[in-house]
Amino acid sequence: SQQGEEDPQALSIQEGENATMNCSYKTSINNLQWYRQNSGRGLVHLILIRSNEREKHSGRLRVTLDTSKKSSSLLITASRAADTASYFCATDWGYKLSFGAGTTVTVRA
Amino acid sequence: DSGVTQTPKHLITATGQRVTLRCSPRSGDLSVYWYQQSLDQGLQFLIQYYNGEERAKGNILERFSAQQFPDLHSELNLSSLELGDSALYFCASSGPEAGANVLTFGAGSRLTVL
Repeated sequence: SQQGEEDPQALSIQEGENATMNCSYKTSINNLQWYRQNSGRGLVHLILIRSNEREKHSGRLRVTLDTSKKSSSLLITASRAADTASYFCATDWGYKLSFGAGTTVTVRA
Repeated sequence: DSGVTQTPKHLITATGQRVTLRCSPRSGDLSVYWYQQSLDQGLQFLIQYYNGEERAKGNILERFSAQQFPDLHSELNLSSLELGDSALYFCASSGPEAGANVLTFGAGSRLTVL
């Protein structure tokens, strides 16, 4: 399967702490994306990193990509209660985007 | 509001029935994707259309079919429904971003099969 696999499956942190989640995939990709899903709602695109990029920032988000290890990480700094959601990596290898099972992040006040 | 409109939001039906889910993509987007999200299977890609033509197919059952119309809206038809078809069905659309499929998702249609 070309799907990414996120790790850990679930993460609970205190407000203000950083949250890190990882994604591994199996085949070559054009780019890798991260999406957020609040409970029962549609996914929202967060950030895209292309296969020739190693690191990208967007606000409190930092994404890294290691194509040699076929892995990516998403770091959310200074977490807030509103960051409570599921986070999915998505591998783009052509005409479709394949999503992993997601990491559920709970930010405790 | 993401700009992608899905109807209905909720649908309850019985096994063996047929339902149609409708999606209007974001203005200007030519590609429409359908995904199924269930607790045990995660987010599964079903099918993609680009400007009316099927572009990619995923794990879509033969009982399911889809199409994209000239006005770019899309419909997903689910027939001979089974209990296991109960899920959230998402439509997403994408624009012409070079070399990337960045998806804008609708709010989903929650299907319950009893």
